[in-house]
Amino acid sequence: GAVVSQHPSWVICKSGTSVKIECRSLDFQATTMFWYRQFPKQSLMLMATSNEGSKATYEQGVEKDKFLINHASLTLSTLTVTSAHPEDSSFYICSARGGTLNYGYTFGSGTRLTVV
Amino acid sequence: QKEVEQDPGPLSVPEGAIVSLNCTYSNSAFQYFMWYRQYSRKGPELLMYTYSSGNKEDGRFTAQVDKSSKYISLFIRDSQPSDSATYLCAMSAGNDYKLSFGAGTTVTVRA
Repeated sequence: GAVVSQHPSWVICKSGTSVKIECRSLDFQATTMFWYRQFPKQSLMLMATSNEGSKATYEQGVEKDKFLINHASLTLSTLTVTSAHPEDSSFYICSARGGTLNYGYTFGSGTRLTVV
Repeated sequence: QKEVEQDPGPLSVPEGAIVSLNCTYSNSAFQYFMWYRQYSRKGPELLMYTYSSGNKEDGRFTAQVDKSSKYISLFIRDSQPSDSATYLCAMSAGNDYKLSFGAGTTVTVRA
């Protein structure tokens, strides 16, 4: 199998606080994980790529100090949105490469973040 | 110009009809082509993947890739209301490369 568990599924936080989103590969080792952001009725926008044990590679225009990514083990990656603001409200989705899928990209169920 | 173009629709069809979806792309380096289905407020689910040009069939789904035209298609036969979702095409240049997504097409299958 290839299951990616993402938590929380939704979160509401106050402006200025930080929020951590977890992405776990349940039945396989994820050598590479990707973090996406998706606005309503729009496609997925890649934010960063992380490989276990190394620093994440951020896409152009993504603030690495604001969106902290940690991939400390082969089964867990976390995205922390620091000092969140209302414009950070979005749907965040992780994807992991690994498992038994021939191509290997499995997506989590997503986290809806609302900053008030 | 976007790297991957996909008509966002929406597309509405009666139950039992054939749903036809397509994407065009500009990067000739793309070798891997995928179709994902995404229900509202959920993560994308892989439906089909194809390497290079050709056709692939899986149940009611058929994926076609024409690299010479930089054009890919997904056909859904005997569509069901449960097929109502957003369908995203995605592609990459290599197995370890990041995916480039289309905008997604919203499909509604009417009972």
